[in-house]
Amino acid sequence: GDSVTQMEGPVTLSEEAFLTINCTYTATGYPSLFWYVQYPGEGLQLLLKATKADDKGSNKGFEATYRKETTSFHLEKGSVQVSDSAVYFCASSLSSGSARQLTFGSGTQLTVLP
Amino acid sequence: NAGVTQTPKFQVLKTGQSMTLQCAQDMNHEYMSWYRQDPGMGLRLIHYSVGAGITDQGEVPNGYNVSRSTTEDFPLRLLSAAPSQTSVYFCASSLRGALYGYTFGSGTRLTVV
Repeated sequence: GDSVTQMEGPVTLSEEAFLTINCTYTATGYPSLFWYVQYPGEGLQLLLKATKADDKGSNKGFEATYRKETTSFHLEKGSVQVSDSAVYFCASSLSSGSARQLTFGSGTQLTVLP
Repeated sequence: NAGVTQTPKFQVLKTGQSMTLQCAQDMNHEYMSWYRQDPGMGLRLIHYSVGAGITDQGEVPNGYNVSRSTTEDFPLRLLSAAPSQTSVYFCASSLRGALYGYTFGSGTRLTVV
């Protein structure tokens, strides 16, 4: 079945450091890919998405590019802030029928120190 | 604009008890889903609905029931609670599925003793 694999956490960075969180997927079709963020005590929020190969999703300084050849959707940010501390989830979804649900990775805890 | 509202926020149950987790959305979304979040396992889909009167099973449906009598409400019922159901439960809704983005509630933390 479909699955999403994320790099193990936790990740601890200093403010203004470069962030990469790796994500790879397996799917029988051509999924759409997402990054969700969960701040402490809250539900998940959609951060960015990409719906086809070579698409780049971006939001709030975060970027991720849909790489079909490596089945990857790595999350990057050039300069992290303390307010970026959260859990980040990579997710996939097929676009047809009942498969419009999300398959999540295990999440990566990010802590940014001042 | 309330979004997705889940109640209760916290609950402790004894093994064998039943209860209903409530979920309501005010965005007229067709799709609603229940997930459970366990450490190191991400979120796993329990049940979902693509409209009033239509429900289907997700990845981990055993021990849970759902119904969707209105567009707004999607309650999750635990029939006979077990310690393995200790988890954080999230309800989510979407206009028409993942491409439109899912809006999540703030979660219910359930402990079964």
